[in-house]
Amino acid sequence: AIQMTQSPSSLSASVGDRVTITCRASQDIRNDLGWYQQKPGKAPKFLIYAASSLQSGVPSRFSGSGSGTDFTLTISSLQPDDFATYYCLQDYNYPFTFGPGTKVDIK
Amino acid sequence: VHLLESGGGLVQPGGSLRLSCAASGFTFSTYAMNWVRQAPGKGLEWVSTIRGSGDNTYYADSVKGRFTISRDNSKNTLYVQMNSLRVEDTAVYYCARSIGSGHYHFDYWGQGTLVTVSS
Repeated sequence: AIQMTQSPSSLSASVGDRVTITCRASQDIRNDLGWYQQKPGKAPKFLIYAASSLQSGVPSRFSGSGSGTDFTLTISSLQPDDFATYYCLQDYNYPFTFGPGTKVDIK
Repeated sequence: VHLLESGGGLVQPGGSLRLSCAASGFTFSTYAMNWVRQAPGKGLEWVSTIRGSGDNTYYADSVKGRFTISRDNSKNTLYVQMNSLRVEDTAVYYCARSIGSGHYHFDYWGQGTLVTVSS
């Protein structure tokens, strides 16, 4: 199974900050990667697929990049609603695998 | 689009449970569907996927041979039959729709149903 890692595991940031989260796959997954946001007690929200395609309705401050094994999620200007845990997921092959998550909290 | 899970509850180790996910607001039979779970305080874990026709199914190694995903397209309902349950299967189970067009990411999720495996 493909292993997904994320860094950092957590970060503290302020409203307005630029935030970057990294996801790494244990093998080449082309661009078959997505990002999800989850708040406590809620179902995850789908943000990005195919590494860089923004899901409809997701604010443009979110962006994704990368291919192969290294990927990033960037929030250009952190908003109060963005404090949450972020997960990457590879859908290159089965079994699909999530990264362990990155918690973004308020500095 | 609306997904509503049901069937969760408390079950003893070794027991069985069947979860259901009622779907509405889209043409159910044309989308792959999935189960994803989250143990208390832990991250997300993909469990299983079933293609729209129901002909192809996929499982995480952790549940293979114990869980069976299925769907009834006439009832717009997704299922997972969970047998030989273990303490480590305790989690909130979410059903989720795949986005389609060659991608399998999950664009819509249910609210989740809690399965607790304990004696």
